[in-house]
Amino acid sequence: GESVGLHLPTLSVQEGDNSIINCAYSNSASDYFIWYKQESGKGPQFIIDIRSNMDKRQGQRVTVLLNKTVKHLSLQIAATQPGDSAVYFCAERRYNQGGKLIFGQGTELSVKP
Amino acid sequence: GAGVSQTPSNKVTEKGKYVELRCDPISGHTALYWYRQSLGQGPEFLIYFQGTGAADDSGLPNDRFFAVRPEGSVSTLKIQRTERGDSAVYLCASSLMGPGDREAFFGQGTRLTVV
Repeated sequence: GESVGLHLPTLSVQEGDNSIINCAYSNSASDYFIWYKQESGKGPQFIIDIRSNMDKRQGQRVTVLLNKTVKHLSLQIAATQPGDSAVYFCAERRYNQGGKLIFGQGTELSVKP
Repeated sequence: GAGVSQTPSNKVTEKGKYVELRCDPISGHTALYWYRQSLGQGPEFLIYFQGTGAADDSGLPNDRFFAVRPEGSVSTLKIQRTERGDSAVYLCASSLMGPGDREAFFGQGTRLTVV
């Protein structure tokens, strides 16, 4: 079935290092991919998105890369900070289905000071 | 408030009881979504409202689950005859127009525990 999934459930990095979180998807018809950050006890928070016709998009300290050939998405966080510790989800937004989000399992990022 | 508000934050109920979970979306947002998140998993879509009407309820697991949005603002998710498997965090999200919006804003969720 259609799904959006992640390669690794946990990632531990040193403060100041760069982090890379990966995601695989299976729906070739996806329009948008979105990364969310979820801290304990909170709802998901939008970080950055990318249209399916792009291969790279940059934000503040974050970069999303999309490889449609292998159906792979990644989130790069530069100079990771303790405040970046959270669970990160990739999600696909389906505009032809009311804009609902299809989420993957998530990767827990832990930043060591 | 400026964000999506969900009440209560936590709800503990006995198996077989009825519960209602409330969502106050961002003012002016016409699209409202309910999701359910089990421990260690990503949120799963339940239902989508455009205005007062349920445009897509394909994610509701069975007929014990029902949601309303009578005035196109506040929404209530209702669960009848609760089961232990219903225990999860129930998230609500809203967006300005609907499918074409880039961003949906989530509330903090209601943690439902069925004992």
